[in-house]
Amino acid sequence: AQSVTQLGSHVSVSEGALVLLRCNYSSSVPPYLFWYVQYPNQGLQLLLKYTSAATLVKGINDFEAEFKKSETSFHLTKPSAHMSDAAEYFCAVSGSGSYIPTFGRGTSLIVHP
Amino acid sequence: DTGVSQNPRHKITKRGQNVTFRCDPISEHNRLYWYRQTLGQGPEFLTYFQNEAQLEKSRLLSDRFSAERPKGSFSTLEIQRTEQGDSAMYLCASSADRAGANVLTFGAGSRLTVL
Repeated sequence: AQSVTQLGSHVSVSEGALVLLRCNYSSSVPPYLFWYVQYPNQGLQLLLKYTSAATLVKGINDFEAEFKKSETSFHLTKPSAHMSDAAEYFCAVSGSGSYIPTFGRGTSLIVHP
Repeated sequence: DTGVSQNPRHKITKRGQNVTFRCDPISEHNRLYWYRQTLGQGPEFLTYFQNEAQLEKSRLLSDRFSAERPKGSFSTLEIQRTEQGDSAMYLCASSADRAGANVLTFGAGSRLTVL
């Protein structure tokens, strides 16, 4: 069984501030982990993925995430928020059988000027 | 590569009517997924095809729901006798069949409103 918990349905930051979106996972096998972003009226797009090659994963638009097995976490960070980062962010886990991803409930990132 | 295409983008229907959604995946992708997304929730898995074979179905997929993928190309998701609880965004995604992390490419979704 696999699941994802995203802490905080909304995160609000000022433009230029650090972004931290939290994700904890549960998986009975070594996981693959993903962050997807969904802009209004668009499909989900892959930001980054963890595939066991490196614990610190860099994605698009200066986002990165660190896999911490001891904490079963895969938090997403960005050093400096832009207004264009305002979107819904989803953490997902897969890794067994058909590799069908299971998604978290999502975190809405709000960026203030 | 035009991405994953879903039609219609919006559907408003009355309770009890049947609706059908179509998904055209990326042409070289042999895996196709349907998810459902309601307000404030993440995508919930409904069903998965590898080529034309429907390999997994979620318990969310009641007997009023049926999905097909004839010839392993486009897919349709039909909901019979719609209920207000079926109102949601229906997402289609596709991926290539390769070992390792399974990265999904999503369409923009088909929003269903049942009155």
